[in-house]
Amino acid sequence: GENVEQHPSTLSVQEGDSAVIKCTYSDSASNYFPWYKQELGKGPQLIIDIRSNVGEKKDQRIAVTLNKTAKHFSLHITETQPEDSAVYFCAASVEGFQKLVFGTGTRLLVSP
Amino acid sequence: DGGITQSPKYLFRKEGQNVTLSCEQNLNHDAMYWYRQDPGQGLRLIYYSQIVNDFQKGDIAEGYSVSREKKESFPLTVTSAQKNPTAFYLCASSRGGTGYEQYFGPGTRLTVT
Repeated sequence: GENVEQHPSTLSVQEGDSAVIKCTYSDSASNYFPWYKQELGKGPQLIIDIRSNVGEKKDQRIAVTLNKTAKHFSLHITETQPEDSAVYFCAASVEGFQKLVFGTGTRLLVSP
Repeated sequence: DGGITQSPKYLFRKEGQNVTLSCEQNLNHDAMYWYRQDPGQGLRLIYYSQIVNDFQKGDIAEGYSVSREKKESFPLTVTSAQKNPTAFYLCASSRGGTGYEQYFGPGTRLTVT
């Protein structure tokens, strides 16, 4: 079955810096890759997703890139702000199965 | 105001007791899911349901049971057979079909002593 690895487990940056979180997946049939942001004590919120027919997607300060050949995808946050501090999860899914397999999460801390 | 609600937010039980966690959605989504989250780990799928009166086991179904009698409701029962039930439980829903986006509720933190 699918296995998703996520790095780093923690990431500390200064406000205004960029942050990059990387994930790799094992099942070449996976074709949907969402990213979630989870604040303390709350449920995860979908922040951006990408399907395998595109290599990059951007939404304001966040972007996701996908390399199908290498089976990895990354989340990029530019001009980080303290409110970006949270745990971020990547996930992968195979079309038709609707089952998401999650990475283990990255705790991002943005210091003012 | 559409969304997913889970209740209660905190739940305490004695070991050996069954407990049922509530999940309700008014998004008219066909598919619903239950995940378990432990510290330092990702979300692990317990059960999922793609349609009313049908559900499938996820990766860690042992010690749990579910029902899907109504489209908007997907309760999870944590039975006494679950060896380590203390965790944060998250419910999610999606449109189903090609609508993969899963939307999560606020979660229930269960503590069993």
